[in-house]
Amino acid sequence: GAGVSQSPSNKVTEKGKDVELRCDPISGHTALYWYRQSLGQGLEFLIYFQGNSAPDKSGLPSDRFSAERTGGSVSTLTIQRTQQEDSAVYLCASSLEGTFGIQYFGAGTRLSVL
Amino acid sequence: DQQVKQNSPSLSVQEGRISILNCDYTNSMFDYFLWYKKYPAEGPTFLISISSIKDKNEDGRFTVFLNKSAKHLSLHIVPSQPGDSAVYFCAAGSSNTGKLIFGQGTTLQVKP
Repeated sequence: GAGVSQSPSNKVTEKGKDVELRCDPISGHTALYWYRQSLGQGLEFLIYFQGNSAPDKSGLPSDRFSAERTGGSVSTLTIQRTQQEDSAVYLCASSLEGTFGIQYFGAGTRLSVL
Repeated sequence: DQQVKQNSPSLSVQEGRISILNCDYTNSMFDYFLWYKKYPAEGPTFLISISSIKDKNEDGRFTVFLNKSAKHLSLHIVPSQPGDSAVYFCAAGSSNTGKLIFGQGTTLQVKP
């Protein structure tokens, strides 16, 4: 497929468990972003990877959240010791470097923490 | 600290009429602005953008207006169609940082 792919599409977990969310960006896109959309809220920036530069982690809400991007392509967002307030839709986007912000989004992973 | 605000959570218009969605921002460092459209269970889709050196950009039925002095942008959809019913997000970015800040979204309903 040509678009941004996220898996799983839905994830239900118990409070205190760790979860991993995966994002496959569009081939050739050097920038990758993670956002979170809580119920009734806008898109909250989490983290941004650009090429080989150090990621911008300024949006991560706590040290339970981390992300990595291997080989400049696939990214994994990990949430440790999940809490109920982590329940949200997690969206991934990618963009070509220098395209002035036009990001292409995946369909998201809906995370429910019971 | 909400740097990008969409003060109207929802808007309802009649098919064929104009839809006007508004967005305000506070950070004068923002130098490009975008609108995204989102259908349920899908990711946001890029709609139209404008850089800070312009005050208007048009693409078919969609026009974005930027008023830098007021730190305000708007999206006009003319004529509105039922298929335009979706959540619309405005976003602002600075070419220094490369990341976007999104507003809370406005749900547009276009009635047939």
